[in-house]
Amino acid sequence: KAGVTQTPRYLIKTRGQQVTLSCSPISGHRSVSWYQQTPGQGLQFLFEYFSETQRNKGNFPGRFSGRQFSNSRSEMNVSTLELGDSALYLCASSLVGQSHSGANVLTFGAGSRLTVL
Amino acid sequence: AQTVTQSQPEMSVQEAETVTLSCTYDTSENNYYLFWYKQPPSRQMILVIRQEAYKQQNATENRFSVNFQKAAKSFSLKISDSQLGDTAMYFCAFGSNSGGSNYKLTFGKGTLLTVNP
Repeated sequence: KAGVTQTPRYLIKTRGQQVTLSCSPISGHRSVSWYQQTPGQGLQFLFEYFSETQRNKGNFPGRFSGRQFSNSRSEMNVSTLELGDSALYLCASSLVGQSHSGANVLTFGAGSRLTVL
Repeated sequence: AQTVTQSQPEMSVQEAETVTLSCTYDTSENNYYLFWYKQPPSRQMILVIRQEAYKQQNATENRFSVNFQKAAKSFSLKISDSQLGDTAMYFCAFGSNSGGSNYKLTFGKGTLLTVNP
């Protein structure tokens, strides 16, 4: 069974550019969440999608956006990149209703490491 | 808002010994979930163990067990018979059913555990 797949794994951009990251969840998982991981701030929640709807959003500026497609694949976009956006972006998927309702066990991908120069 | 605190940025243990990682959290909710995730160097994050707050019995998974003290809002992880492969960053995380999403986790800053031969 394939895990959570994130592409690209590494990318380098310059300030002002935009970037799109992709996440393919585990087959059958309909919830996809995104997290930003930095040495200073740790892991911070970006947003979560279920059935193509954003159900929750973290405290990030509007430059950060995302979407989910009908096959549950998700993309996140960061526009007008800043140096501080350099981070590991983690995607996680979850099987709604597994084991106990709301047990929200996340399976993470390997991440996309973004460097902004 | 929930907060998760891991007071030990780094720890080390000798192979085959036992180590305990600390985690405290702050919440006003009564129904929630707690997790320990492990992130080995340059590898993806995986779930170690989870605990539902409504369960009084402490969760165990092979060599991993937790000490869940709900009143004290404490959730420590005990690793028995430590192995070299346990070397990783360990994150404590909190999740709940509130806020319209079951899949938003709040993470601690992490504890870097090194197992020495």
